[in-house]
Amino acid sequence: AQSVTQLDSQVPVFEEAPVELRCNYSSSVSVYLFWYVQYPNQGLQLLLKYLSGSTLVKGINGFEAEFNKSQTSFHLRKPSVHISDTAEYFCAVTRLNFGNEKLTFGTGTRLTIIP
Amino acid sequence: DTGVSQNPRHKITKRGQNVTFRCDPISEHNRLYWYRQTLGQGPEFLTYFQNEAQLEKSRLLSDRFSAERPKGSFSTLEIQRTEQGDSAMYLCASSLGRDTLGSTEAFFGQGTRLTVV
Repeated sequence: AQSVTQLDSQVPVFEEAPVELRCNYSSSVSVYLFWYVQYPNQGLQLLLKYLSGSTLVKGINGFEAEFNKSQTSFHLRKPSVHISDTAEYFCAVTRLNFGNEKLTFGTGTRLTIIP
Repeated sequence: DTGVSQNPRHKITKRGQNVTFRCDPISEHNRLYWYRQTLGQGPEFLTYFQNEAQLEKSRLLSDRFSAERPKGSFSTLEIQRTEQGDSAMYLCASSLGRDTLGSTEAFFGQGTRLTVV
């Protein structure tokens, strides 16, 4: 089974400051890794994903994440945040197989941008 | 709009009543998933369809829950004899599964928020 830990439930950041949202995972098999964003009363939107190749992955809205296999981490970063980045962010994993893309999510990190 | 569509967006029901939600996936997607998200938590997997076949069900899916995808297109999720603990956001997602190495993106709908009073 897989599990995802997002250590920070809430992260307040001043506008234009950098931010890092932490994600650690546990799995006995190889996984794919994802970050999703959820705006209030909305569904989930994919920010970025790591499938293979370069461990630094760039996504939408200026976000990037780095896969670290030895530390089983997939932290999300943005060099300069905007008010519009206020949302809930979820890290997720799925098993590397041909079956399906069933996702296991973390509990989320609420990012609040302070003007 | 060619995204995943869920109806209704909001549902308030009395305890003990039955409710049914509908999900229309992206048209060419053969895989469909249901998740449940309670306040302050991440989404939790409920069930998965490949075309019309329900291939996996979570232990979270009690006897009161049933999901169908009769023609491999839209899906319904029914909850019988609702309880207050069923109050949550129910999310549907779809993906274009490929039998090759690599995982494709799952696209999510906006969810149905159920409140049981």
